[in-house]
Amino acid sequence: EDQVTQSPEALRLQEGESSSLNCSYTVSGLRGLFWYRQDPGKGPEFLFTLYSAGEEKEKERLKATLTKKESFLHITAPKPEDSATYLCAVQARGGATNKLIFGTGTLLAVQP
Amino acid sequence: NAGVMQNPRHLVRRRGQEARLRCSPMKGHSHVYWYRQLPEEGLKFMVYLQKENIIDESGMPKERFSAEFPKEGPSILRIQQVVRGDSAAYFCASSPDGGPQRKLFFGSGTQLSVL
Repeated sequence: EDQVTQSPEALRLQEGESSSLNCSYTVSGLRGLFWYRQDPGKGPEFLFTLYSAGEEKEKERLKATLTKKESFLHITAPKPEDSATYLCAVQARGGATNKLIFGTGTLLAVQP
Repeated sequence: NAGVMQNPRHLVRRRGQEARLRCSPMKGHSHVYWYRQLPEEGLKFMVYLQKENIIDESGMPKERFSAEFPKEGPSILRIQQVVRGDSAAYFCASSPDGGPQRKLFFGSGTQLSVL
């Protein structure tokens, strides 16, 4: 069964304190791995798509990496506005196009 | 360019009533997806629709739930005879086409509370 597990469930950082969020996945053929950010009361907002092991993508203070079993979202020198829930999702080959399997997310709190 | 619009934002129903959730996709998008987010759980896929067609409803409960995306107007997720377990946030997402690996644009969701 296709599955996504994110850790930790919650993470509290001081402003400027870099860290990483983990997303482990089991999927019968990976079509793509997606990172989304979700603010309270809002829908998920797209951050990155990674397609193959070894791929990396960056956006401001965020950098996403992918291996054959997991993905990391590295946050460098975070700011309070980076506080949100970060969601990881995979799209498997063979299923309905664009159907995503989500993890339960990591709730990040960055304190000034 | 307006994003994905969902209404209502909050919907309160009593057990046994019907709930109708609406979703207008982004301009130029013809593919709509519904997801449900239960407390302490991740987003779960429910159904994927194209204009006038249901492409994949593998995540939709077999009874009481239905979805449509007519030629004109918004996509509708309909829940008949609601029960307390239906209380959740329902998110709609859209994409311009059904190609693989397309990123999805999500609305702000409808929070359904069943009393």
